[in-house]
Amino acid sequence: DQQVKQNSPSLSVQEGRISILNCDYTNSMFDYFLWYKKYPAEGPTFLISISSIKDKNEDGRFTVFLNKSAKHLSLHIVPSQPGDSAVYFCAASGTSYDKVIFGPGTSLSVIP
Amino acid sequence: NAGVMQNPRHLVRRRGQEARLRCSPVKGHSHVYWYRQLPEEGLKFMVYLQKENIIDESGMPKERFSAEFPKEGPSILRIQQVVRGDSAAYFCASSPRTDGTGELFFGEGSRLTVL
Repeated sequence: DQQVKQNSPSLSVQEGRISILNCDYTNSMFDYFLWYKKYPAEGPTFLISISSIKDKNEDGRFTVFLNKSAKHLSLHIVPSQPGDSAVYFCAASGTSYDKVIFGPGTSLSVIP
Repeated sequence: NAGVMQNPRHLVRRRGQEARLRCSPVKGHSHVYWYRQLPEEGLKFMVYLQKENIIDESGMPKERFSAEFPKEGPSILRIQQVVRGDSAAYFCASSPRTDGTGELFFGEGSRLTVL
């Protein structure tokens, strides 16, 4: 049972344009939604998160939008840079501790 | 480097051997999580430990896998009698608190190859 879904395995975007990564979830009990970024041969690093009581959170070039009625969230990166090329994992947390459930990831390629 | 330290980074074992993966959390973090990433898949939760206690092992296979986080020393993920399907990247993460926000600090992973 996949609770966090990322239906696009890969995405290519031109440098300077907007990257939009999408994520869907099935569990209404999640309290926080997160995006992690992962480079090859490295561990994931936390990027940005949003509480379930909010619909938008912005941090520099990164903005996460949450649509609870649709059980959907998205990560916008603008402008995209070549260094943003990585695998992005959508994740969710809903317990009193940090048991994070990850999606399968979307590989973003930003083309110079 | 005060981050999560995992070793070994790469481990090769033959079928039937034992694999031991070690994780030292960020200094001051008392909460440790182990995740497994199979090829072409996302990260799957395995186990959550606090010092000397296993809190949630719902993601651990019922046999051959065990984890500990002793009072002193690193957390250990132990896989007995390894099989080819155990080949994966094993990531350890730590956090300083349990507020459910999901912000974890990950190590660089240990890549297990079973021949």
